[in-house]
Amino acid sequence: EADIYQTPRYLVIGTGKKITLECSQTMGHDKMYWYQQDPGMELHLIHYSYGVNSTEKGDLSSESTVSRIRTEHFPLTLESARPSHTSQYLCASFSGRYSETQYFGPGTRLLVL
Amino acid sequence: SQQGEEDPQALSIQEGENATMNCSYKTSINNLQWYRQNSGRGLVHLILIRSNEREKHSGRLRVTLDTSKKSSSLLITASRAADTASYFCATDAWNNDMRFGAGTRLTVKP
Repeated sequence: EADIYQTPRYLVIGTGKKITLECSQTMGHDKMYWYQQDPGMELHLIHYSYGVNSTEKGDLSSESTVSRIRTEHFPLTLESARPSHTSQYLCASFSGRYSETQYFGPGTRLLVL
Repeated sequence: SQQGEEDPQALSIQEGENATMNCSYKTSINNLQWYRQNSGRGLVHLILIRSNEREKHSGRLRVTLDTSKKSSSLLITASRAADTASYFCATDAWNNDMRFGAGTRLTVKP
């Protein structure tokens, strides 16, 4: 089991609400990623970070933002949730120095009504 | 942009049979990895094969890589009901930012 955590695991909210999905890892990994995955579909990279104060947008156009103030923490924020944001959000981290594999959190299932 | 594409999209077999999944990609890679995802959960790393390797084994898993065809295959031998999951290939194109395919959904019937 990897030491990467996501909260909440499930979230049901109304349209227009601001939400923050939390992701934290205790492995000291520099690189962290957010993926969006619809059921049974591929993973789409939406944001990534190579370290503190580094954030980049991924392949999928996203209305979300991220921050990386601490190495272990990489929260994802939706300023105004919409039904089109309903999906599963997966956080991952990667060492790059000692390992070439990504470690994934359990995911957050988001439903926007 | 999506890099790896798995084939077939879904596979249903009986327990004890072998399962073969294929992955094709588009650009040159540093390595290719296979991940497993149980329903509604995060992904778990299975095996990594580097671009200069042709075959790799790990327990009941066998992975091949053909860089000339830009393809890889994952073979699970003597499958078990617990192998039921989605399997994804991911390519690492030298910058360590991996791209995942759509996955193969494997169902192993007891």
